[in-house]
Amino acid sequence: GDSVTQMEGPVTLSEEAFLTINCTYTATGYPSLFWYVQYPGEGLQLLLKATKADDKGSNKGFEATYRKETTSFHLEKGSVQVSDSAVYFCALNSGGSNYKLTFGKGTLLTVNP
Amino acid sequence: SAVISQKPSRDICQRGTSLTIQCQVDSQVTMMFWYRQQPGQSLTLIATANQGSEATYESGFVIDKFPISRPNLTFSTLTVSNMSPEDSSIYLCSVGGVKDYGYTFGSGTRLTVV
Repeated sequence: GDSVTQMEGPVTLSEEAFLTINCTYTATGYPSLFWYVQYPGEGLQLLLKATKADDKGSNKGFEATYRKETTSFHLEKGSVQVSDSAVYFCALNSGGSNYKLTFGKGTLLTVNP
Repeated sequence: SAVISQKPSRDICQRGTSLTIQCQVDSQVTMMFWYRQQPGQSLTLIATANQGSEATYESGFVIDKFPISRPNLTFSTLTVSNMSPEDSSIYLCSVGGVKDYGYTFGSGTRLTVV
């Protein structure tokens, strides 16, 4: 079945540091890949997505590239801010009859000033 | 993308009671999903609710414990029945249905059972 393996956290960085959160997946067919962010006390927000191999999703300075050869979708940001402190979830949807999302376990990011 | 209003945002309930969570969408959607997020954990799909048919439950979740209604294309409810402290979680509704598009989530209901 589908699965998402995400870098264990928590991750603590100083402001303006470079961020990488690793995500690899196992899926049937050609999944769509997503990163969601959950700020403290809030629901999930879609951060970015990629729907086919070599696509790059980007938003708010975050980027992730759909790498089919390595089945990966790592999240990166060149310079993090305190306001980026949140939990980040990698997820996939492989279609089929249900269209449900399969999530990774989430990575807590804390950015210190 | 769709806008979801979910309520209540939080509640503290006594064990043995039931709580019904509502999810209202500002547009008609085919599929609605209910997820559970246990403390410090990822999201687990409880069930998929389609209008006009019975909800489809994931392994480990049963209708008697989590009855779902889907009376029209913009509204759904999830009831957490006969609650125990183990049901303390965040419950989120989500809408989607097209593989390549991101799913929209409600702001969640933070449930504490005492």
